[in-house]
Amino acid sequence: NAGVTQTPKFQVLKTGQSMTLQCAQDMNHNSMYWYRQDPGMGLRLIYYSASEGTTDKGEVPNGYNVSRLNKREFSLRLESAAPSQTSVYFCASIGNSYEQYFGPGTRLTVT
Amino acid sequence: GEDVEQSLFLSVREGDSSVINCTYTDSSSTYLYWYKQEPGAGLQLLTYIFSNMDMKQDQRLTVLLNKKDKHLSLRIADTQTGDSAIYFCAESVASNTGKLIFGQGTTLQVKP
Repeated sequence: NAGVTQTPKFQVLKTGQSMTLQCAQDMNHNSMYWYRQDPGMGLRLIYYSASEGTTDKGEVPNGYNVSRLNKREFSLRLESAAPSQTSVYFCASIGNSYEQYFGPGTRLTVT
Repeated sequence: GEDVEQSLFLSVREGDSSVINCTYTDSSSTYLYWYKQEPGAGLQLLTYIFSNMDMKQDQRLTVLLNKKDKHLSLRIADTQTGDSAIYFCAESVASNTGKLIFGQGTTLQVKP
């Protein structure tokens, strides 16, 4: 099992550019999450998907969209990147055991 | 709303015990978690405790939960330099969504 994988690992964007962060899990988990991590602020939930076909806003959804493509994949899209979206983005998934598994992260810089 | 608070920094000597503290606000949280993050890496689940437990021990790790005071602690016995990392406390939001609220993280520095 690869667990939770994320691509890309690093990305630099110019203000106004768009991009999609990819996440996939091979643990047959129902629920998947996108967080951002900023210094001194812990992790904040952007969007989550409790099951295939559903998505809901988290704490900081503005400027982002998500797609739960199938049970394995949950993507995060920035339509028009802003410097305030410079952050480290983590994808996570959870099964029935309440253990949330995290991917390695995507480090995004918006200039 | 839900909130989780941690002190930001702790420094200990190798071989000593480390105690990292956390307070939370949602009294209906089902699970409380401790995660470890090493530099440049993702979060690794260390341990979690169900809200009806007072204590959980797992090798060098001891988790204490005071539900009355909404206080959670993580004790690491015989702290090693490899324990240097950021430790996050998290509480589950009272729903079946699996959502977690994280603290800011405590940076543990272990001096040789």
